[in-house]
Amino acid sequence: DTEVTQTPKHLVMGMTNKKSLKCEQHMGHRAMYWYKQKAKKPPELMFVYSYEKLSINESVPSRFSPECPNSSLLNLHLHALQPEDSALYLCASSQWHRAYNEQFFGPGTRLTVL
Amino acid sequence: TQLLEQSPQFLSIQEGENLTVYCNSSSVFSSLQWYRQEPGEGPVLLVTVVTGGEVKKLKRLTFQFGDARKDSSLHITAAQPGDTGLYLCAGVVRRDDKIIFGKGTRLHILP
Repeated sequence: DTEVTQTPKHLVMGMTNKKSLKCEQHMGHRAMYWYKQKAKKPPELMFVYSYEKLSINESVPSRFSPECPNSSLLNLHLHALQPEDSALYLCASSQWHRAYNEQFFGPGTRLTVL
Repeated sequence: TQLLEQSPQFLSIQEGENLTVYCNSSSVFSSLQWYRQEPGEGPVLLVTVVTGGEVKKLKRLTFQFGDARKDSSLHITAAQPGDTGLYLCAGVVRRDDKIIFGKGTRLHILP
């Protein structure tokens, strides 16, 4: 199984809502990532988990809260988002967070904040 | 600031033509990946290059890693409409293991 899955595929939420994005991989990878991608731009790194511990937070606002319940799952909890947070949210995994860092991406969640 | 310059940003060519996309940086990379991304989908890994001077082929796509591991190129021979998409390079910086993405090359192959 060389797949990273993400749910939901699309999400529309209001600024007062609380929602969660989910990501799952069964490749035995020990590093997982959240990226945000705006239209016509490259992915921007948000968070890195290594061995289920948060190792990088790229100064992401606290309205985004990541969680790694186990080595296969990664969540992104959303609360009080702004319309400018609308984007494609991508999850990725790699064998580990080290120099040889081949990442596999999920299909993404298209988030719209009204 | 670590940068990975990717060029060209946009390319529209006729089916059957050849093209080359470049990624350049002042940083040395431990490895460099090339991805292709369709609209609304996640990037799909095409290749990883690790060794300076390395050349990898994937059907009509040829990837090269510079001798100094600061640059890479993607050459497509006889482009086809199915090659249309956003091509991204991403390098793992040797000094700090950070991953940096190029801004992408939006390729459109006209039938």
